[in-house]
Amino acid sequence: QKEVEQNSGPLSVPEGAIASLNCTYSDRGSQSFFWYRQYSGKSPELIMSIYSNGDKEDGRFTAQLNKASQYVSLLIRDSQPSDSATYLCAVRPYGNNRLAFGKGNQVVVIP
Amino acid sequence: ETGVTQTPRHLVMGMTNKKSLKCEQHLGHNAMYWYKQSAKKPLELMFVYSLEERVENNSVPSRFSPECPNSSHLFLHLHTLQPEDSALYLCASSQSLSRGTSQNIQYFGAGTRLSVL
Repeated sequence: QKEVEQNSGPLSVPEGAIASLNCTYSDRGSQSFFWYRQYSGKSPELIMSIYSNGDKEDGRFTAQLNKASQYVSLLIRDSQPSDSATYLCAVRPYGNNRLAFGKGNQVVVIP
Repeated sequence: ETGVTQTPRHLVMGMTNKKSLKCEQHLGHNAMYWYKQSAKKPLELMFVYSLEERVENNSVPSRFSPECPNSSHLFLHLHTLQPEDSALYLCASSQSLSRGTSQNIQYFGAGTRLSVL
């Protein structure tokens, strides 16, 4: 079982719509969860972090965490062409400095 | 600008060359990381240096050799690489667990795009 799974293929959304990305993780003791955005040819940049169950909102981004289901998601409201990128889910296993990353989900916002 | 600087940004080398990648962080962090990013694969952690540990991914070949002279600098020495080593190499830094933070947010440098001919 992979540590972090992002199974969806490329996601195409019309401008102004909501993009929804999902991620599951295997280590039940994990306590820190992150979403990074990576533009083509660039390095990952942090857009959201979440540490407790529930929702966390930051501008047009909302992260949702459900530790019982080992599930974390990212919603992008009012999607813009500038949101077109690959979104990486990252999880810090318990007692580790390191992060485990998923493969990423590519989002394409269509004007 | 994330506070993590990597040089060079691009590197082309032959299989018999020796080169080094450099990473410097100006964030006061005490943990640094090397990642490899190949096409259509997850970010792969290669090495971790922190107050608590030096961790090596056992699947990383010995032709990659890390060096961490202090908490602000990290090097990746390369020798006799193979074409399949061509990838984006990313450095990151964070506070380590010993500093009592659970956040451990990692900040990435811009990366070195490596091509092995």
